[in-house]
Amino acid sequence: EAGVVQSPRYKIIEKKQPVAFWCNPISGHNTLYWYLQNLGQGPELLIRYENEEAVDDSQLPKDRFSAERLKGVDSTLKIQPAELGDSAVYLCASSPARLAGLDTQYFGPGTRLTVL
Amino acid sequence: AQSVAQPEDQVNVAEGNPLTVKCTYSVSGNPYLFWYVQYPNRGLQFLLKYITGDNLVKGSYGFEAEFNKSQTSFHLKKPSALVSDSALYFCAVREIPPGRDDKIIFGKGTRLHILP
Repeated sequence: EAGVVQSPRYKIIEKKQPVAFWCNPISGHNTLYWYLQNLGQGPELLIRYENEEAVDDSQLPKDRFSAERLKGVDSTLKIQPAELGDSAVYLCASSPARLAGLDTQYFGPGTRLTVL
Repeated sequence: AQSVAQPEDQVNVAEGNPLTVKCTYSVSGNPYLFWYVQYPNRGLQFLLKYITGDNLVKGSYGFEAEFNKSQTSFHLKKPSALVSDSALYFCAVREIPPGRDDKIIFGKGTRLHILP
């Protein structure tokens, strides 16, 4: 079984530039999560999707961050414009059926973003 | 709101010795509890979880964790440490039953260093 795929693995941009991250969850997983992980910290949820619906985006800085999950499969997280403080690892995870309790999360390798 | 604490930033253990990584939690109801491990430049990997039942949960790579409701703890243990166990370990908690708006909260992580 293929795991969660994320691309790119690394991204270096200058501040004020846009950036996008892509995630392909494990096949059949209804729930998709985007997390932010700062150095030395645990993951912090940015947004959670149940199929194509964003059901928890309370921690997403909506002035510059946006996300979509078209057709309830792949997802894209975008930052525009990026700021220095956005430098972090962006993790994508998926789980089979969260509301049924089957919510062990499977994580991708992450995208390490560096904003100069 | 739920919270989780990992009181040790780093734990050093000699190879072959037993190891313990500590985790305490706070929820208003009953907890789901998880342990994840993160190796360098990789995403988090699921180790084990407690939902209900036996307080001693066995997981991957010989790890186990003990749920202690009175002490609100979920410490990760292994009888004999391997150098390859060196990694970053995260405890996580969420309330059950899962609702639309609740989320998993991750601890800050504990770096486990196994000395050869």
